[in-house]
Amino acid sequence: GAGVSQSPRYKVAKRGQDVALRCDPISGHVSLFWYQQALGQGPEFLTYFQNEAQLDKSGLPSDRFFAERPEGSVSTLKIQRTQQEDSAVYLCASSLQGTRGQYFGAGTRLSVL
Amino acid sequence: AQKVTQAQTEISVVEKEDVTLDCVYETRDTTYYLFWYKQPPSGELVFLIRRNSFDEQNEISGRYSWNFQKSTSSFNFTITASQVVDSAVYFCALSDAVTSGTYKYIFGTGTRLKVLA
Repeated sequence: GAGVSQSPRYKVAKRGQDVALRCDPISGHVSLFWYQQALGQGPEFLTYFQNEAQLDKSGLPSDRFFAERPEGSVSTLKIQRTQQEDSAVYLCASSLQGTRGQYFGAGTRLSVL
Repeated sequence: AQKVTQAQTEISVVEKEDVTLDCVYETRDTTYYLFWYKQPPSGELVFLIRRNSFDEQNEISGRYSWNFQKSTSSFNFTITASQVVDSAVYFCALSDAVTSGTYKYIFGTGTRLKVLA
């Protein structure tokens, strides 16, 4: 596609539910990043993939968060047993290579009730 | 430690005024990259500029210009003759692969720019 695509755009979950957020990066982009953006704040790094390899997951806030990119293209961020503090916009970005600019999707706004 | 500070939380200007958004960064690395992004109400972060630490030349793109000064660890962004469509939240970001190893961004908290007609 022309840009980074994320789905769904909005997700409402009851506390304790599992959710899965999808990211479809720009074709050919090797690097893929997930960020979490709380209301009124800047995005914060969650995890990084180079092709299918998850090279950095230091930003994942707990073991309830899990990300994968099995074929080096589409990525899924999964949050198990959601909590209210997980409510945020989750942004996905892709990059042709590490030092180049990252291109962001529109994000998924997660609301946990 | 890596850090990006955008001290201006919100700025309001009248259309056609010039406005400068400040960004101050901290890093121990000598090789790093700085970025500016625009986030309109739709939420998508729009890439504006990338600058590496070895290139201190100022850059101009239309009404946008950037002033990179390593001596003060600043990378400021100026919009000349602002327009209503410039209204958005602007983020400055730092990426230093040596420390992070992954080119992840460290973002500032953003500056909300309101351009009034």
